[in-house]
Formats: sequence, C-alpha cells, structure tokens
Amino acid sequence: GAGVSQSPRYKVAKRGQDVALRCDPISGHVSLFWYQQALGQGPEFLTYFQNEAQLDKSGLPSDRFFAERPEGSVSTLKIQRTQQEDSAVYLCASSLGARAVGDTQYFGPGTRLTVL
Amino acid sequence: AQSVAQPEDQVNVAEGNPLTVKCTYSVSGNPYLFWYVQYPNRGLQFLLKYITGDNLVKGSYGFEAEFNKSQTSFHLKKPSALVSDSALYFCAVRDKGGTGRRALTFGSGTRLQVQP
Repeated sequence: GAGVSQSPRYKVAKRGQDVALRCDPISGHVSLFWYQQALGQGPEFLTYFQNEAQLDKSGLPSDRFFAERPEGSVSTLKIQRTQQEDSAVYLCASSLGARAVGDTQYFGPGTRLTVL
Repeated sequence: AQSVAQPEDQVNVAEGNPLTVKCTYSVSGNPYLFWYVQYPNRGLQFLLKYITGDNLVKGSYGFEAEFNKSQTSFHLKKPSALVSDSALYFCAVRDKGGTGRRALTFGSGTRLQVQP
C-alpha cells in the first residue's frame, strides 16, 4: 500500500501516562502534518514539518505535546502526562510540498487515543 | 485568520436524487479549497480541490464543486446520489499566499445520509 500509515490504530492510556503515536508518510512526500479530531468535530491543525524541520507548531495545545521527524520521513507525536481532554483521533497527513500547486494533503487512518 | 462554515449538520437525500453539501469560507487572500470524505473509523479521503481557473471542479466518484468568489462558497454536488455516498463530508481551506502557513482549516463536517 502506498498510503499514509499510522500506528497504533487504537491506544488506551491511563491519565498521566506518556504515549507515542507514529506516522509513516507516503514515500517522497516532503511535508507532514498532524491534526487532532475531537468527537463530532473537524480536524484541527497541530504541527507541520517540511522534511525534518518543524516549521509550524502553532497548533500544539500545550508543552505536553511534542512532535519530531528526525530523518525527514517517519514522524512521532508524543503526549506526556496524558489528560482526559487529550482523548481524540490523531490524524497524520503528508503532501508533496510547496512545489506542488494546491499541495493536496493525504491522510492516514488515524490513531484513536482514549485517556481513562 | 481563515475559517470554514458548514451550516448543515446533516443532509438527507433519496437515492438517485441530486445532492448538495454547503460550504462557505473566509480567508484574507485567495483560497485553495478542498473537500474530503470520512467513512467510519477511517481517515479523510480526498475528493477534489479548487486551485484556480474554472469555477466548476470535478472530482472522484462523480462529485463536483462550484467555487463562487462573490459568495465565498464552495458547495459540493452530485447529480445522482448513491447509498454508498453516505458518510461525513468536510470542507477545508488554505490561503494561497501567506508566509508558510500550510495548515488546512476544516469545517465541522456534514453528515450525508442517502436513503434507498
């Protein structure tokens, strides 16, 4: 399959635990995005990478959220000391980058995080 | 700031009838506009986008959308609905210009229910 993949698909954490969510973008895609989708809502932007550089992290809700893409491919979103309000679906998307007109973002299936 | 409004939480249509899902947007400059569809427990699937040029955009699965600059709208349409079109539809916008702001802003979604 040539699409965006995410793992795990489902994650249950106790409040206060740390979690790590993984995203494998489409091969060759320069840009990578993370979004948070609360139940019944549209996705909301968290952060954006161009290759390994994190160019926009304006959507991260607190300093408990951290994302990295050290080699410009796979990305990890880490949430420290999880809270119940972190329960949501975390979506990863990738795109060709700024040179592609309109630069369509292609989404993975998401990771559903439930914090108890 | 950019925003998207999807005024209808749910649209009901009979199979074989035409469907319209409404979207209006607000950006400071010129927009890139997108429609995505989400099936249960799956990520967002790209349907179509408006970049420039012809105001009528054709996309996947027989869907099309009409860009109307004066009304700042980008309504999704299909001439003949199928039961399998039943899903959650999201409109999204990004400013063409901007200094590196590449995140999409999504509407809250419209659930399309096609009755047999």
